[in-house]
Amino acid sequence: DTEVTQTPKHLVMGMTNKKSLKCEQHMGHRAMYWYKQKAKKPPELMFVYSYEKLSINESVPSRFSPECPNSSLLNLHLHALQPEDSALYLCASSQVGRGDYGYTFGSGTRLTVV
Amino acid sequence: QQQVKQSPQSLIVQKGGISIINCAYENTAFDYFPWYQQFPGKGPALLIAIRPDVSEKKEGRFTISFNKSAKQFSLHIMDSQPGDSATYFCAASGVESNYQLIWGAGTKLIIKP
Repeated sequence: DTEVTQTPKHLVMGMTNKKSLKCEQHMGHRAMYWYKQKAKKPPELMFVYSYEKLSINESVPSRFSPECPNSSLLNLHLHALQPEDSALYLCASSQVGRGDYGYTFGSGTRLTVV
Repeated sequence: QQQVKQSPQSLIVQKGGISIINCAYENTAFDYFPWYQQFPGKGPALLIAIRPDVSEKKEGRFTISFNKSAKQFSLHIMDSQPGDSATYFCAASGVESNYQLIWGAGTKLIIKP
């Protein structure tokens, strides 16, 4: 299995809702990432988990809460989001937490905050 | 010093032609330079990557040329095909970026049949 699977593919949520994004990989990768991508922009790093521990938080607002239950799963819990948080949220994994090991990205969750 | 500058923003090439996308970096401590390809509705996918100890790397129709002294690298797509139409991102990483990728702004490539 060489894929990163993200669910749901699309999500519309109100500003008072709580929702979660899920990501799964079975490649044995020990690092997993959350990225945010706005239209016509490069991906922006949000969080890095390495060996199931949060190793990088790029000063992301607390309304985004990551969780890594095990080495194959990564969640992003969303609460009280703003319309400007609407974006494509990408999950990625790599063998270890370094960009030079090559990232495998999922297809993303298209999030719309209304 | 952490920036990676990519050009052009968009590019239209005839089928069979050569597509060239350029990137420049400032941080001489960067030691890994990948190119990612992204199709609409998909996440980026690693296309090809190079380290500064070589000046060129070729994989099929895709070639990275690397100029360490100029702090520039470029992606060449030979015999460009309509299926190559996508957005291409260059990136760089090294110890000063905590080995995380610093991304270029992206180039939207359209190959006309």
